[in-house]
Amino acid sequence: KQEVTQIPAALSVPEGENLVLNCSFTDSAIYNLQWFRQDPGKGLTSLLLIQSSQREQTSGRLNASLDKSSGRSTLYIAASQPGDSATYLCAGKTGANNLFFGTGTRLTVIP
Amino acid sequence: EPEVTQTPSHQVTQMGQEVILRCVPISNHLYFYWYRQILGQKVEFLVSFYNNEISEKSEIFDDQFSVERPDGSNFTLKIRSTKLEDSAMYFCASRGQGASRPFFGQGTRLTVV
Repeated sequence: KQEVTQIPAALSVPEGENLVLNCSFTDSAIYNLQWFRQDPGKGLTSLLLIQSSQREQTSGRLNASLDKSSGRSTLYIAASQPGDSATYLCAGKTGANNLFFGTGTRLTVIP
Repeated sequence: EPEVTQTPSHQVTQMGQEVILRCVPISNHLYFYWYRQILGQKVEFLVSFYNNEISEKSEIFDDQFSVERPDGSNFTLKIRSTKLEDSAMYFCASRGQGASRPFFGQGTRLTVV
């Protein structure tokens, strides 16, 4: 069974800083990996999806990488803004139909 | 952008009562999912549905749970006799063909008292 771990559990940074969120998974036979954003009491917004054949994906200030051999993915956020404050979840899909989610990193960007 | 819609946003029910959580997936999507998130815990997979039948379910999805796509647009999750531990946020998701990413709804917060 796929286990997904995210560190740190919480992170506070001043506005404007670049930051990296980490995600590790136990089953390297991953089909794809997805990063989500979750605001308090709200749903999940998909940010980036990386297929197993890809190394990275970029969207605006976000860049996600995937290293299957080491079982790791990172989400890089450039020039952080207070509006980036949220919980960030990674989720891996291993060929079965469902996603395995990590516990998330709660990000606070301080103005 | 198209979106997945869930109703109600919050449901309070007494233990032992039946609840139905409703979802309207994106119209041309073919794969449908329910996930749940107990407060402070991970988002967990419950069930996936394709071609009018369950394609996969987790150990959480026991006989108290059922899903239905009654009219080609709605996708429902029924909990027959709710327990306190069913209190959670329930997310519906849908996905199109191939390797497309799933889209999640805003969730229904279920509180069992």
